[in-house]
Amino acid sequence: NAGVMQNPRHLVRRRGQEARLRCSPMKGHSHVYWYRQLPEEGLKFMVYLQKENIIDESGMPKERFSAEFPKEGPSILRIQQVVRGDSAAYFCASGLGRGGFYEQYFGPGTRLTVT
Amino acid sequence: DAKTTQPPSMDCAEGRAANLPCNHSTISGNEYVYWYRQIHSQGPQYIIHGLKNNETNEMASLIITEDRKSSTLILPHATLRDTAVYYCIVSMRSSGSARQLTFGSGTQLTVLP
Repeated sequence: NAGVMQNPRHLVRRRGQEARLRCSPMKGHSHVYWYRQLPEEGLKFMVYLQKENIIDESGMPKERFSAEFPKEGPSILRIQQVVRGDSAAYFCASGLGRGGFYEQYFGPGTRLTVT
Repeated sequence: DAKTTQPPSMDCAEGRAANLPCNHSTISGNEYVYWYRQIHSQGPQYIIHGLKNNETNEMASLIITEDRKSSTLILPHATLRDTAVYYCIVSMRSSGSARQLTFGSGTQLTVLP
């Protein structure tokens, strides 16, 4: 059973470009979470999605960031007009979301570097 | 969610038990204790969780005090590959949607040869 997959693993963007990060959850998981880890800091929650629904986006910056989890295909975290402060590791996690269990299974992350 | 307090770093000799403490004095009755770890640059890995009883799985044991204000994660025979940052997280279990995890600073465990 494949784990959570994220791609690309490394992404370099110039200031002002767009970054698209993709996350494929584990088979059978319908809940996806995105976290960001700035250099030398802990993970911070960004957004929680179910298929075609954003459940909680309280951790998302108000501008330039958006996320989706379509009926078919991976979840996408999109960052428009990237700035140097967006350089970070972005982790996706998936879970069953049923029964209240919070075991979340994390992917290997996408390391975004903005030059 | 209740706040947790962990020591910033600990060392452990290879082959010995690693005991990682966590204080969560404001935990409420319906909140669980979760442990995750993050090996350098990798995604966090779920280890174990519990409510009030001690728990054990293939990775670790979790000991929760009777008043639930603190807990200890035990790695019975630490190896070099257990070197990681260990996060203790307290979060409510609900019958509805699962909630996000709130990561603190964690404990950097270094297993020494």
